[in-house]
Amino acid sequence: GAVVSQHPSRVICKSGTSVKIECRSLDFQATTMFWYRQFPKQSLMLMATSNEGSKATYEQGVEKDKFLINHASLTLSTLTVTSAHPEDSSFYICSARENRDGNYNSPLHFGNGTRLTVT
Amino acid sequence: SQQGEEDPQALSIQEGENATMNCSYKTSINNLQWYRQNSGRGLVHLILIRSNEREKHSGRLRVTLDTSKKSSSLLITASRAADTASYFCATSQGGSEKLVFGKGMKLTVNP
Repeated sequence: GAVVSQHPSRVICKSGTSVKIECRSLDFQATTMFWYRQFPKQSLMLMATSNEGSKATYEQGVEKDKFLINHASLTLSTLTVTSAHPEDSSFYICSARENRDGNYNSPLHFGNGTRLTVT
Repeated sequence: SQQGEEDPQALSIQEGENATMNCSYKTSINNLQWYRQNSGRGLVHLILIRSNEREKHSGRLRVTLDTSKKSSSLLITASRAADTASYFCATSQGGSEKLVFGKGMKLTVNP
């Protein structure tokens, strides 16, 4: 089955530093990847849609200068949390849909998430 | 914005029993999907039902969709302790590739 690898799984950083999270599709190509944020015992909130070779599309209320997304290839998208603060502490999850599956009538494949703690 | 709403929010049952989770949504959809999340992990896709389908089966899972009531249900039969997880419904709307997730439901299956 399609596998999405997300790294790191856990990171602790100091306030003011930046953290990069990688999301790779291991055995398929993905023009589009999605970044979600999840607070404890809550649902997933879509942050942005990452598009290979073009700018990401951010959801309303998500600061694009704070959460930098780069989708440089068909198998890799990165999310960089810049100048992180304690309120950015959360669980970040990426997902991707196989290109061959076409548009929306296909499932998303999720990474295992990154637990970010900003001290 | 979050659209789906699962009901109940939490369910605790004994192994062997059936578990039913309901999901309601507000707008027209292309499809509705159910996902499972183990604690601290990513989501795993369980089943997708298209808007023109009414029922779908996959192993011990049975999903129904009632577009007139804008609701879906997920039935897990003969539950196992390993089914303990959070379950989310998600909808695909319009021409968008995005999925909008519901609030999730915590299922605990006691051995």
